[in-house]
Amino acid sequence: GAVVSQHPSRVICKSGTSVKIECRSLDFQATTMFWYRQFPKQSLMLMATSNEGSKATYEQGVEKDKFLINHASLTLSTLTVTSAHPEDSSFYICSATDRKTLNTEAFFGQGTRLTVV
Amino acid sequence: KNEVEQSPQNLTAQEGEFITINCSYSVGISALHWLQQHPGGGIVSLFMLSSGKKKHGRLIATINIQEKHSSLHITASHPRDSAVYICAVRGRWGGADGLTFGKGTHLIIQP
Repeated sequence: GAVVSQHPSRVICKSGTSVKIECRSLDFQATTMFWYRQFPKQSLMLMATSNEGSKATYEQGVEKDKFLINHASLTLSTLTVTSAHPEDSSFYICSATDRKTLNTEAFFGQGTRLTVV
Repeated sequence: KNEVEQSPQNLTAQEGEFITINCSYSVGISALHWLQQHPGGGIVSLFMLSSGKKKHGRLIATINIQEKHSSLHITASHPRDSAVYICAVRGRWGGADGLTFGKGTHLIIQP
């Protein structure tokens, strides 16, 4: 089946630094990649939708200058948390849809647990 | 915006019991997903439904589009089924829409 690889799986960084998270579709071309965030004991929430070659669409309340998304190719999207603060500590997970079948299974990365100290 | 409600929030059962988790949503969708999240956070897609019923091993998922309701059933439950089960819906734009998630059902199966 389709595989989405996300890394790193865990990262601890100092407040004020930036962290980059990568999401790759390994055996299919992803028209669209989604970035989600999950705070402890909360449901997953969509942060932004990333389309290859165009600017990401951010959900209300998500700062685009803080969470930089780059979808440079059909197999790679990156999320950079800039000037991270402790309140950005969360579980970040990406999901991708297959270019060939738009309404398709949800393929998820393994997730990244970010801790900002 | 779609509201996705799951019940129950927590469920503890004995090994072998038949498990049902329910999901309702408020706005029409293109697809509904049942997901399994393990303690480390990783998510596995169990089913994607747009109508009817699907079965995979001991898992069965049904959806009633008119009633905006779906159920996930686990037959002959086993401790390894212990996980958080999440219902998520995709909007009418299909693959171009992100998912809206329920809060999840924390299932524990005791031996």
